[in-house]
Amino acid sequence: EDQVTQSPEALRLQEGESSSLNCSYTVSGLRGLFWYRQDPGKGPEFLFTLYSAGEEKEKERLKATLTKKESFLHITAPKPEDSATYLCAAAGNDYKLSFGAGTTVTVRA
Amino acid sequence: GAVVSQHPSRVICKSGTSVKIECRSLDFQATTMFWYRQFPKQSLMLMATSNEGSKATYEQGVEKDKFLINHASLTLSTLTVTSAHPEDSSFYICSARGWAPYNEQFFGPGTRLTVL
Repeated sequence: EDQVTQSPEALRLQEGESSSLNCSYTVSGLRGLFWYRQDPGKGPEFLFTLYSAGEEKEKERLKATLTKKESFLHITAPKPEDSATYLCAAAGNDYKLSFGAGTTVTVRA
Repeated sequence: GAVVSQHPSRVICKSGTSVKIECRSLDFQATTMFWYRQFPKQSLMLMATSNEGSKATYEQGVEKDKFLINHASLTLSTLTVTSAHPEDSSFYICSARGWAPYNEQFFGPGTRLTVL
């Protein structure tokens, strides 16, 4: 059974304090590892797709990396507007997404 | 690009009534659409997968007679919650995936259903 585990559950950061979120996955035939951002009461917003170990992608203050068992989302010098829940999801052979429980990031000014 | 809309964004109904939620991919053709349910402070739970012109595939434990899904075109899928009860109150979110090899799912803004 496909499984995705995210840690930590919650992360409180001071503005400018860089940190990383972890996503561990066990998936048969990985078709993609996805990162989404979700604000309260809204649908997830697509951030990145990673397909193979060693791949990295960046967008503004966010950088996602992938190994054979884990993915990391690095937040560099976060701002209060980066506060959100970050969801990791993995797609297996059937292309269905298995989601982790999410990491809620709070950035204080 | 890759915009998915949902309508309505919020609905309140009486117990026993049926509610229809629409999901549209606005700027791409969706080969597959997915319906999720999300409870407060929990992650997304996949309910069903639908492909245009064919019957939806439901996840284990999801009642297909209660949650009717129609995927009439490459840009529109609908979820009908039949004979809704208070326990069906939840946040329903759809997503759409385009053509291979792109596997990204793009999500709609969600529909908040409250059953009184």
